[in-house]
Amino acid sequence: DVQMTQSPSSLSASVGDRVTITCRASQGISNYLAWFQQKPGKVPKLLIYAASTLQSGVPSRFSGSGSGTDFTLTINILQPEDVATYYCQKYDNSPLTFGGGTKVEIK
Amino acid sequence: QVQLVQSGTEVKEPGASVKVSCKASGFIFTTYGFSWARQAPGQGLEWMGWISGNNGDTNYAQKFQGRATLIRDTSTNTVYMELRSLRSDDTAVYYCARKYMRSPLDDWGQGTLVIVSS
Repeated sequence: DVQMTQSPSSLSASVGDRVTITCRASQGISNYLAWFQQKPGKVPKLLIYAASTLQSGVPSRFSGSGSGTDFTLTINILQPEDVATYYCQKYDNSPLTFGGGTKVEIK
Repeated sequence: QVQLVQSGTEVKEPGASVKVSCKASGFIFTTYGFSWARQAPGQGLEWMGWISGNNGDTNYAQKFQGRATLIRDTSTNTVYMELRSLRSDDTAVYYCARKYMRSPLDDWGQGTLVIVSS
């Protein structure tokens, strides 16, 4: 099975900073990569799919890139409401493995 | 609008089984598949398996093979996840989410807390 490895597992940044989270697949998954945001006590929310396509309604400060095995989620101009845990997930075929998550906090 | 409404909190003893439901509305049930994932307290998301809303085909994460069963009822547009031989480490919030072919999980249920405790 393909493993999904996220880094870092947590980070602390200031409001207005640019934040970058990486996700690595143990085998190529083309661009079948999604990013989810989960705020404390809430349901995961789809942010980005196809590695770089923003889900409707998601602020443009979020962006994704990558293909194959290496992917990146970037939050430009970090906002207080972006405090959450972010997960990547492969969705090309089963198992639809999640990354371990990255907890983003405000410094 | 798209809705996935899950059943309520369950408290079970170790060794028991639990069956969680997920009722879909606002879209054509048989054109989608449904994944289940869980999240233990303070932990990350863990994918459990998938069922086709069309023909009931399933596949499971290896970890849950033989212990979890996914079924669907097209008469009520409901999918079910049954987990048997519960252990304390099965305590988690269980989520259903819909999936269209090779698209991501775009809509999620509200989650169902399953507590396994003696």
